[in-house]
Amino acid sequence: QVQLVESGGGVVQPGGSLRLSCAASGFTFSSHGMHWVRQAPGKGLEWVTYINFNGRDKFYADSVKGRFTISRDRSKSTVFLQMNSLRPDDTALYYCARDFNWAYDYWGRGTLVTVSS
Amino acid sequence: QSVLTQPASVSGSPGQSITISCTGTSSDVGGYNHVSWYQQYPGKAPRLMIYEVNNRPSGVSNRFFGSKSGNTASLTVSGLQADDEADYYCSSYTGTSPGWLFGGGTRVTVL
Repeated sequence: QVQLVESGGGVVQPGGSLRLSCAASGFTFSSHGMHWVRQAPGKGLEWVTYINFNGRDKFYADSVKGRFTISRDRSKSTVFLQMNSLRPDDTALYYCARDFNWAYDYWGRGTLVTVSS
Repeated sequence: QSVLTQPASVSGSPGQSITISCTGTSSDVGGYNHVSWYQQYPGKAPRLMIYEVNNRPSGVSNRFFGSKSGNTASLTVSGLQADDEADYYCSSYTGTSPGWLFGGGTRVTVL
């Protein structure tokens, strides 16, 4: 069965960096684009970034452009999210999701990122 | 990137039908058929309910129906049941600064 497992979250000071990972299994990883979606505590969903199946196309929300970088490692079936210059409003549960026909059909359980001094 | 507009809350009695709207622009909802809907229970990950405006993934009840007219997409839930009580989000691809948008979410209450 399809599984997505996020890791790498934690508490970081403003201006700091974190690298999130999403380990995928149960499907042909190299055939699907992947997304990161976040949800601040008590708030709605916010799309963060997307990488296509071969890693050549990457899109970012304006709120993270220039600070976050998405990448993927086919050999490890893993997607990464490098987050730099973190701000308090980046505090959220970060979900990894699989792309399916321009939608997100499988989601992980999320990893919590807290930006606080 | 702006958020798609959804009503904050919608309610209905068991057995009734409810409709949740999702309003965007010609650059997102109106310009593409890449509209999807998600159900989220508290403390849980979202679940895909509708993709490409009106397609249901395997396992989703046919009580859930998606549609679109102009810049507004809609999710209709018929035969409302207690376990339909959840938050619902729409999402659309946008050609502006290419990417995706979410609606602000709608809390569905079953009276």
